[in-house]
Amino acid sequence: GAVVSQHPSRVICKSGTSVKIECRSLDFQATTMFWYRQFPKQSLMLMATSNEGSKATYEQGVEKDKFLINHASLTLSTLTVTSAHPEDSSFYICSASPFRVDSPLHFGNGTRLTVT
Amino acid sequence: AQSVAQPEDQVNVAEGNPLTVKCTYSVSGNPYLFWYVQYPNRGLQFLLKYITGDNLVKGSYGFEAEFNKSQTSFHLKKPSALVSDSALYFCAVRAGSTNAGKSTFGDGTTLTVKP
Repeated sequence: GAVVSQHPSRVICKSGTSVKIECRSLDFQATTMFWYRQFPKQSLMLMATSNEGSKATYEQGVEKDKFLINHASLTLSTLTVTSAHPEDSSFYICSASPFRVDSPLHFGNGTRLTVT
Repeated sequence: AQSVAQPEDQVNVAEGNPLTVKCTYSVSGNPYLFWYVQYPNRGLQFLLKYITGDNLVKGSYGFEAEFNKSQTSFHLKKPSALVSDSALYFCAVRAGSTNAGKSTFGDGTTLTVKP
């Protein structure tokens, strides 16, 4: 149980275009989802906390208008990288929590974004 | 504020030998501690957690971890390493009193098990 599906796994886009990444909890309701960015051989950088039915909470230094997050249902959150540039190339990972503080996080398999 | 330290970027062990990946934490209130493993180009997978109770917790793939409150540590261990254990390991902490569910991760330790 506790499966999180993330799509696409890889995406290549041209500079200036937008890319949408989906994160779905398949067998549980996720009131909270988290979006991370991971650079090579580095830890996870939390970008934002996505709460169902309300605005996302962004971490300091993360541009809200650049990384749009929508959590319209208890099973789906999306991250849209708007007007992507090569420096946005990275590995993006989502995780979901069934909102029990003792529950582990359940992670998607990540999305490798390459902006050319 | 909560924080996690993984003092070793890299741990190398020979197959069949015991392994330890270290983690220390700082948190207000009761800590909820987790270990995750990440294989290349994949998301993280949950290994084990400490919430309360026995200080020695057992998890997936033969891993275990020992919670030490006085040393604020939660080291990951395995009695006999396998080559397939080679991966990136993350320790994470969450304050038991928080309702945000936000976890703080360590910087990760790359484990390499050599045949």
